Amino acid sequence: AQKITQTQPGMFVQEKEAVTLDCTYDTSDPSYGLFWYKQPSSGEMIFLIYQGSYDQQNATEGRYSLNFQKARKSANLVISASQLGDSAMYFCAMRRNTGNQFYFGTGTSLTVIP
Amino acid sequence: DVKVTQSSRYLVKRTGEKVFLECVQDMDHENMFWYRQDPGLGLRLIYFSYDVKMKEKGDIPEGYSVSREKKERFSLILESASTNQTSMYLCASSLGQDLYNEQFFGPGTRLTVL
Repeated sequence: AQKITQTQPGMFVQEKEAVTLDCTYDTSDPSYGLFWYKQPSSGEMIFLIYQGSYDQQNATEGRYSLNFQKARKSANLVISASQLGDSAMYFCAMRRNTGNQFYFGTGTSLTVIP
Repeated sequence: DVKVTQSSRYLVKRTGEKVFLECVQDMDHENMFWYRQDPGLGLRLIYFSYDVKMKEKGDIPEGYSVSREKKERFSLILESASTNQTSMYLCASSLGQDLYNEQFFGPGTRLTVL
């Protein structure tokens, strides 16, 4: 069963604008972790940001922030002031409290337009 | 810095060959993972290991096996390669059981089976 859903296969954003990449998840566990990764064209997966299910505040890391809405089971990534180097695939992932497995979405391809 | 290395960036094999993909991490991580990545399908877990000599099937283990004889090394084996195993293979590792421990990825191996 699909546990992570990313509904946007591709997104475009103007340089210096903000963009939101959507992610919804499905779990009945009370405790879980949510991650976002960036994959540039070179192929390496880069960890961006983490949100715990019990965290009271939305996570932020520089220009990245996570809009966490627990009741809606969504964990959208917000990138502020987009840069050309932000063009990449972005993956949302979840780690459940039971087991060591990570579940990944199908990814969103972001293109930043100069 | 955690470093995860994979034995090859590109590999070309023939149908029916036995293929070994090697992954080594240098940060004493307990957990190691093998994924395959295909366009539109995201990352799909093949196998993971949470300790030496321990392994768990992921979502798509058919046609693959793994070996973890040492903590730092996790090998993926294609017993008899087939063309539908042409893909990008990503290895990852993570520390412990805490939810916030992210995965660190290797650079990937692009395998082509002719």
